[in-house]
Amino acid sequence: DTEVTQTPKHLVMGMTNKKSLKCEQHMGHRAMYWYKQKAKKPPELMFVYSYEKLSINESVPSRFSPECPNSSLLNLHLHALQPEDSALYLCASSQADLTVANEQFFGPGTRLTVL
Amino acid sequence: AQKVTQAQTEISVVEKEDVTLDCVYETRDTTYYLFWYKQPPSGELVFLIRRNSFDEQNEISGRYSWNFQKSTSSFNFTITASQVVDSAVYFCALSEDSGNTPLVFGKGTRLSVIA
Repeated sequence: DTEVTQTPKHLVMGMTNKKSLKCEQHMGHRAMYWYKQKAKKPPELMFVYSYEKLSINESVPSRFSPECPNSSLLNLHLHALQPEDSALYLCASSQADLTVANEQFFGPGTRLTVL
Repeated sequence: AQKVTQAQTEISVVEKEDVTLDCVYETRDTTYYLFWYKQPPSGELVFLIRRNSFDEQNEISGRYSWNFQKSTSSFNFTITASQVVDSAVYFCALSEDSGNTPLVFGKGTRLSVIA
């Protein structure tokens, strides 16, 4: 299984809502990532988890809260978002190797609209 | 600081033409990794290739080929006999060798292949 799945595919939420994005992989990867991608821009890294521990937080606002409950799952909890947070949110996974930059495999993304 | 430049914002070609997508990178590291990803309209980033800085051999995979030249800090991607299904945004990316480090993406090149 070489697939990263993400749910939901689309999400529309108001600024006062709380929602969660989910990501799952069964490739045995121990590194998982959240990226945000605005239209016509490259992906921007938000968070990296390595062996279920948060290893990189790219100064993301606290209204985004990541969680890695186990080695296969990655969640992104959303609360009090702003309209400018509307974007495609991509999850990725890779082998976790301290000495080698491995290729990351991406999910199809969740297209988020904040009203 | 690491940087990836994809100077071509958009390219249009007619089907069966060959097309080369340029990628120029900057890094102070002696060990690094270069990647190419394809992002079709569906949104998912598809991994195409990973190359480490010590391997300057060119690579061919079907209609795809990559030319890595450290002397010019370039990692160009050529599609031979392009097809409509090749229409996508292509990203070049760079990563250090220390594992789980962020991918630094170029801005992407949007390729349109016209039938």
